Formats: sequence, C-alpha cells, structure tokens
Amino acid sequence: EIVLTQSPGTLSLSPGERATLSCRASQSVNSNYLAWFQQKPGQAPGLLIYGASNRATGIPDRFSGSGSGTDFTLTISRLESEDFAVYYCQQYGSLPFTFGPGTKVDIK
Amino acid sequence: QLQLQESGPGLVKPSETLSLTCTVSGGSISSSSYYWGYIRQPPGKGLEWIGRVYYSGSTYYNPSLKSRVTISVDTSKNQFSLKLSAVTAADTAVYYCARLRFGGAPDVWGKGTTVTVSS
Repeated sequence: EIVLTQSPGTLSLSPGERATLSCRASQSVNSNYLAWFQQKPGQAPGLLIYGASNRATGIPDRFSGSGSGTDFTLTISRLESEDFAVYYCQQYGSLPFTFGPGTKVDIK
Repeated sequence: QLQLQESGPGLVKPSETLSLTCTVSGGSISSSSYYWGYIRQPPGKGLEWIGRVYYSGSTYYNPSLKSRVTISVDTSKNQFSLKLSAVTAADTAVYYCARLRFGGAPDVWGKGTTVTVSS
C-alpha cells in the first residue's frame, strides 16, 4: 500500500499570499495518478487536480499541480477567502487507493 | 448534471450490518467510462477509501475492510450499495459515494451521510 505524507499539517497565510502544499508518496505513483481535493467544513470534498497537473472542470487557474514519481505539489497562487480549507492528496495509480492526512490552510 | 445521493440508517448497533445505497441521477451508472465507489471519514479525521464497483459488478475492496465489505450495483435502478458487517464504534463516520474517474479519482461526490454505531 502506498502511504502518502502531506506537509505542512497546517499552513497559516493571509489572503493574497501564495500557498505551497506538499504530498510525498512512499513509492512511485503509477502514471502520476495523483489527485488533490479541497474540503470545507460540513461539505464533501471536491476534486481540484487529477493526473498530478490537470485542473478539474471549473477550477480557477490560481490552482496548479505539479510533480511526478513520489513528490507532488499543489500551489495556490493568490489565496482568496474561499480557499481556506483542508486539502487532501490521493493516489489512484495502485490498489488500494490511498489518501494523505490533509493540510489545513487557515487565515493568519 | 450528475448527482449522487446516499441513503440508509443513521444509527446501527454494534455487531450489526451497515447498509447504504447511492442513487445516481442525471447520468447512467452503466457508463463504461467510470467506476463507482465509497469513501468514509470518521469524525474530525481524514478520508478512507472503502472500495469500488464497475457496472458489470466487478469489485475491489480496501484490504483493511475486505472481510466485512460488499459493494454491489443495480443498473436497473441506477444505484449501487454498500454493506459493512460486524460494525464497531470505529466504523462511525460520514460515508460518501462517488463517481470515480480513471478508475479511481472521485470527481463527483454525494453530500455524505453520517452513520453512528451505538447501542
């Protein structure tokens, strides 16, 4: 089973700042099948990025994903108020699919 | 617009079987392009992938739950279902159903349903 580690656990930033979130896998993710999700309190997660770098439908271009192999990054270029949330990565290249523990982005 | 809706009891007694159904609307569960899956989230914790089913009935389960999980599909009703047997308090969670893109990336989620295991 591939274990995903996300860092930092919490990221405290101000609106307008840049956020850089890391997701590291215990072994290489096949075909870079790595997704990122955003979850707000009381809501289901929503898909942001799939295939490491492809934005899902309707996702603003301030969200970008990069990386390959075992190291992946989600970048939010300029934080807006609605971006403060918990972010999860997930690998779907090897069964069983696994999620990271999440990074909380909160307001500084 | 595709929508998924979970339904089932919100309270299950320890040692009994948790049963949930996910109803798909606005699209066909028989699409060859997608799998369908369940994911859960214990209170205050992260996400755990439970398993997936294809419209043909082919399944894969998380090994950590495999002995207790069954996921099935009913194409005539456009639904898929989860059964989790011998539940304990550790199974208390919000349970989500989702459409899985590329076999594994949930791109459309249900709103989730809270299941509490308690006597």
